[in-house]
Amino acid sequence: QKEVEQNSGPLSVPEGAIASLNCTYSDRVSQSFFWYRQYSGKSPELIMSIYSNGDKEDGRFTAQLNKASQYVSLLIRDSQPSDSATYLCAVNRDDKIIFGKGTRLHILP
Amino acid sequence: DAGITQSPRYKITETGRQVTLMCHQTWSHSYMFWYRQDLGHGLRLIYYSAAADITDKGEVPDGYVVSRSKTENFPLTLESATRSQTSVYFCASSASGLDNEQFFGPGTRLTVL
Repeated sequence: QKEVEQNSGPLSVPEGAIASLNCTYSDRVSQSFFWYRQYSGKSPELIMSIYSNGDKEDGRFTAQLNKASQYVSLLIRDSQPSDSATYLCAVNRDDKIIFGKGTRLHILP
Repeated sequence: DAGITQSPRYKITETGRQVTLMCHQTWSHSYMFWYRQDLGHGLRLIYYSAAADITDKGEVPDGYVVSRSKTENFPLTLESATRSQTSVYFCASSASGLDNEQFFGPGTRLTVL
């Protein structure tokens, strides 16, 4: 099993709808979880971090963590064309951060 | 507030040449990292540093050398570049640990002919 797994996409979502991005991880003792956004040709940008089970909301973004299921997700409400990007899930393991390969999100105008 | 910068942004070199990629951060973050990003592999950690004069290997260190004589600088050297080192290289820094929030520089696109 890959350490941090994401569907590569592309995930196409109509403008104004909710985009749901999912990530699973293999290390049960992981405690820190991050979502990065990466526009084409640009560097990753941190958008959310979550450390406890449950939901964490920041504006239009909600991160959800379920440690029992080893699952973390990112919801983007009222999706905008500017949300079109690759979203990287990152999880700590052995004092390092391991990145997933990312999910490409395309918001349809 | 410059944050974290990388230079050069683009570099073309030939097989066998030595190349140094520079990384500079103005936040006084203790931790600094070098990643490479390739299609199909995502971000892979090359080397990291917890403080000045402390460096350690990541997932793919072979063919690379790092140093950190000052907190703000973390250069990455390819001693003898190979075509397989063609990639986009990102430097990142973190204030609070190896497994905490990291902030990335703009990247260097390196092509080895």
